[in-house]
Amino acid sequence: GIQVEQSPPDLILQEGANSTLRCNFSDSVNNLQWFHQNPWGQLINLFYIPSGTKQNGRLSATTVATERYSLLYISSSQTTDSGVYFCAVERGGYQKVTFGTGTKLQVIP
Amino acid sequence: EAGVAQSPRYKIIEKRQSVAFWCNPISGHATLYWYQQILGQGPKLLIQFQNNGVVDDSQLPKDRFSAERLKGVDSTLKIQPAKLEDSAVYLCASSLESGRGRQDTQYFGPGTRLTVL
Repeated sequence: GIQVEQSPPDLILQEGANSTLRCNFSDSVNNLQWFHQNPWGQLINLFYIPSGTKQNGRLSATTVATERYSLLYISSSQTTDSGVYFCAVERGGYQKVTFGTGTKLQVIP
Repeated sequence: EAGVAQSPRYKIIEKRQSVAFWCNPISGHATLYWYQQILGQGPKLLIQFQNNGVVDDSQLPKDRFSAERLKGVDSTLKIQPAKLEDSAVYLCASSLESGRGRQDTQYFGPGTRLTVL
């Protein structure tokens, strides 16, 4: 099956710092999503981004499908950004979903 | 709009016992997913329903896990008998529709944390 690797696995930031999270995938995909899982376990969709660049406030994402990677940018990080960030890729007619390994982010005041 | 509901939120059982989880997706969502998330890992898709039909269950351990979605709405996931390695959070998600290249956001429920002793 498809492999989805994320880096770095762990990241500690001072509040206000910027960061870039990376997602590499081993095969072509139909779609890619970024999720944030907060410390209480709730998963929230951040971006649906099969290609190109999208921005939402302090967050933006870029997917280069031909090179099989996606990047999530977090600017001016806040403590509420803490949690685990997952990318998830979709393949096949019914968009079978495979989640990545995750990046655990801790933002300290 | 109400979100995805799951119950129970927590369950502790002994190995070889059986357990069932319930999920109520967002109204009107045709696609329903069950994921297993082991501590420290990303969610793993167990089964995906399109209305009341199964479109993918390739990672469902069918010797002990079963799932159904009656009338294309609510769904239950059952484990019988449970093993120690089944300890995990079981997440339910739903989306408007999946397939034919459509882009539909998945909305996740709060999950059920299962501990098998």
